[in-house]
Amino acid sequence: DAGITQSPRHKVTETGTPVTLRCHQTENHRYMYWYRQDPGHGLRLIHYSYGVKDTDKGEVSDGYSVSRSKTEDFLLTLESATSSQTSVYFCATQGVSRGSGSDQYFGAGTRLSVL
Amino acid sequence: AQSVTQPDIHITVSEGASLELRCNYSYGATPYLFWYVQSPGQGLQLLLKYFSGDTLVQGIKGFEAEFKRSQSSFNLRKPSVHWSDAAEYFCAVGPPDVPAGNKLTFGGGTRVLVKP
Repeated sequence: DAGITQSPRHKVTETGTPVTLRCHQTENHRYMYWYRQDPGHGLRLIHYSYGVKDTDKGEVSDGYSVSRSKTEDFLLTLESATSSQTSVYFCATQGVSRGSGSDQYFGAGTRLSVL
Repeated sequence: AQSVTQPDIHITVSEGASLELRCNYSYGATPYLFWYVQSPGQGLQLLLKYFSGDTLVQGIKGFEAEFKRSQSSFNLRKPSVHWSDAAEYFCAVGPPDVPAGNKLTFGGGTRVLVKP
């Protein structure tokens, strides 16, 4: 398994507070992703990074920001948490390979509850 | 825009019976196709993937999937289910670029229950 650590694993917070989730990888993978998982929706891409300081928006980026100052760390920030952001958040990483490409590896997830 | 449909939200199967999970996609071109499995409280694990070539692909844990271009489908099968196969299964598509799998679009998932 790829060395992906998400922290915290569980968090309960109040509406309007800022929240930062961390994803740390030890695989030196170039690409990193943040997804949210909600019942019936599968996983939806929030933001992704294709290198240090290089990020882009995914399908459901409103209300979220990201930063990647080092290869190994990808932070997801909810500037002002809302109840609609209650979800399970997954980080994924992906290396670069020639030909048919490389796989995405997923962390164990962070369960966030916004009250 | 691309989309992935998994028509079955839940499937219950007896241990030892065969299993087939359906996946249909909508995409401008032939995408890269993936099946992931998620055990309770865990992240996702890649079961198999299709990029090109043989339309029947083999994966881990005895799973296989068949790509049918004419039906825009990528159904997952297992001939004989084990109790440990109880999990949620996700089909996903990605753009046919390098690196494959970038910016995946997932289906809503199918939860598989295995009866003794």
